[in-house]
Amino acid sequence: DTGVSQDPRHKITKRGQNVTFRCDPISEHNRLYWYRQTLGQGPEFLTYFQNEAQLEKSRLLSDRFSAERPKGSFSTLEIQRTEQGDSAMYLCASSAGMGGGNTIYFGEGSWLTVV
Amino acid sequence: GIQVEQSPPDLILQEGANSTLRCNFSDSVNNLQWFHQNPWGQLINLFYIPSGTKQNGRLSATTVATERYSLLYISSSQTTDSGVYFCAVYTDKLIFGTGTRLQVFP
Repeated sequence: DTGVSQDPRHKITKRGQNVTFRCDPISEHNRLYWYRQTLGQGPEFLTYFQNEAQLEKSRLLSDRFSAERPKGSFSTLEIQRTEQGDSAMYLCASSAGMGGGNTIYFGEGSWLTVV
Repeated sequence: GIQVEQSPPDLILQEGANSTLRCNFSDSVNNLQWFHQNPWGQLINLFYIPSGTKQNGRLSATTVATERYSLLYISSSQTTDSGVYFCAVYTDKLIFGTGTRLQVFP
């Protein structure tokens, strides 16, 4: 069990550029979550997958954001045409099982700065 | 949607002191987790505690689901306990509280 892995850990990009973050969940965890956290706030839910199916998307996830989990293993979160307001830490988490009966584990996060 | 509130928002302690952090939630939940976020941003699981009481070293937690609150106790605090403590409740995803920022000074 190597934990939830996120890449890159830090990204600085110019406004208008596209960025992609990758998340590798704990092996055999079928639930995968994406969250966003800004300074001084708690993590906010963005979206989650059950295997390869994206089951829910937050209203925070505008049409510039897209997430995939093509084979039910790793996931990517892409932000197109980045804006300064997208600057935040993007957190990935995973859990086993179908629902809330299992502990959810978080990765170390990917820090995004849009300049 | 469900509301999760934590108190106090900030807490300053001297090393060795004890503290109690509270989490109130507005509706029934399937489970509740407490996390410690260290200065580097890593969210570390402390407890998975939908109900009852659990202890892990100097930390313990109690959830009274019928009254919609949970408490995190930190005894004999150490400087390494500094950081932000979040409770998060699970409906079909984790909803985080507002956090308690703890600073422990030597």
